[in-house]
Amino acid sequence: AQTVTQSQPEMSVQEAETVTLSCTYDTSESDYYLFWYKQPPSRQMILVIRQEAYKQQNATENRFSVNFQKAAKSFSLKISDSQLGDAAMYFCAYRSARYSGGGADGLTFGKGTHLIIQP
Amino acid sequence: GAGVSQSPRYKVAKRGQDVALRCDPISGHVSLFWYQQALGQGPEFLTYFQNEAQLDKSGLPSDRFFAERPEGSVSTLKIQRTQQEDSAVYLCASSPYVWGQGQPQHFGDGTRLSIL
Repeated sequence: AQTVTQSQPEMSVQEAETVTLSCTYDTSESDYYLFWYKQPPSRQMILVIRQEAYKQQNATENRFSVNFQKAAKSFSLKISDSQLGDAAMYFCAYRSARYSGGGADGLTFGKGTHLIIQP
Repeated sequence: GAGVSQSPRYKVAKRGQDVALRCDPISGHVSLFWYQQALGQGPEFLTYFQNEAQLDKSGLPSDRFFAERPEGSVSTLKIQRTQQEDSAVYLCASSPYVWGQGQPQHFGDGTRLSIL
């Protein structure tokens, strides 16, 4: 079974600064997808960024970028120019690219990192 | 609707009661997922529907949990004889594609279930 580990329960950053959230995962598969989701107090999970394992190029989405190290099974999220609206729980998630149709087809999430933005 | 809608937003029940949680996915979305999120934890997968077919229920914690999506749109998660450990936020997500293509899921706001 795949596991996702987020070792930082909480991170704090000054507004306008850069912060990196770490995520490692364990899998025996070679093809998969990785995601970062943001969950504000409203509870709705919002997709931040998505990475396909077969792509070597790191995904970017405006101020958000990832450092994907496949051999190390690491998938960190960098937030540049942090804004007050970035404050939330951030979850790293894994999904196999193998469509089993009957196996565990859902996302596997880490425990999350609570990001605090200091004004 | 514009997004995934879940109701009720909050549900309080006494231990032993049955509860039903509703999910209204984005119109036309083929795939529907239920997750359970305990306090301070990440969501955990419960079950997956492709249209009306429940293709994966490997994450349901016990036979007290039952989910259905009879017409391939609205889904209901039912918990019978609730216990205190069932207290959690229940999240529903949908996707326009058949799962396996790595497309992101769109989540609702969840239902916070508290069992007294």
